Amino acid sequence: AQTVTQSQPEMSVQEAETVTLSCTYDTSESNYYLFWYKQPPSRQMILVIRQEAYKQQNATENRFSVNFQKAAKSFSLKISDSQLGDTAMYFCAFWGGSNYKLTFGKGTLLTVNP
Amino acid sequence: NAGVTQTPKFRVLKTGQSMTLLCAQDMNHEYMYWYRQDPGMGLRLIHYSVGEGTTAKGEVPDGYNVSRLKKQNFLLGLESAAPSQTSVYFCASSYPRGGRAYNEQFFGPGTRLTVL
Repeated sequence: AQTVTQSQPEMSVQEAETVTLSCTYDTSESNYYLFWYKQPPSRQMILVIRQEAYKQQNATENRFSVNFQKAAKSFSLKISDSQLGDTAMYFCAFWGGSNYKLTFGKGTLLTVNP
Repeated sequence: NAGVTQTPKFRVLKTGQSMTLLCAQDMNHEYMYWYRQDPGMGLRLIHYSVGEGTTAKGEVPDGYNVSRLKKQNFLLGLESAAPSQTSVYFCASSYPRGGRAYNEQFFGPGTRLTVL
């Protein structure tokens, strides 16, 4: 069974600064996908970024980028130029194999301070 | 195109009461999921469906039943609600690309359920 671990329950960052959220996972699958989801106070789950394990290049989406270390089973999210609207719970998630489901970490609550 | 919708958005039940949560999607997605979210626990899969008329158990299925009679709807039932089922419930759907289950999961807005 896959597991996803987010070791930082809470983090804070000043507006305009850069912050990195950590995620590690455990799997025996060779092909899989990793995701970061954002959940603002509105409660809506929003996909931030996706990484396919067979791609060596790290995914980027505007101010969001990942550091994917496949051998270390690490998948961190970097948010550059943090904005107040980035304040949210962030979930790391794993999909792999034929079990049709996402496995989520417990989340990191990020607060961006003015 | 409404995406994934959930009914109701809020509900308060007394212990032992029953209720059904409705999830509807208009994206012609094959796969649908029910999750529950509890503080410090992330999202945990309750049940899922890979197509009309099929359902399967997820990580925490006890106390819940589901039905997928129509492709666009996925119902989650609580036959006898318990305080431990107080949670926020999310529905999601996705379309399997290339025969694999993965594709982006689209989430509904959630239902906050309180069982007294």
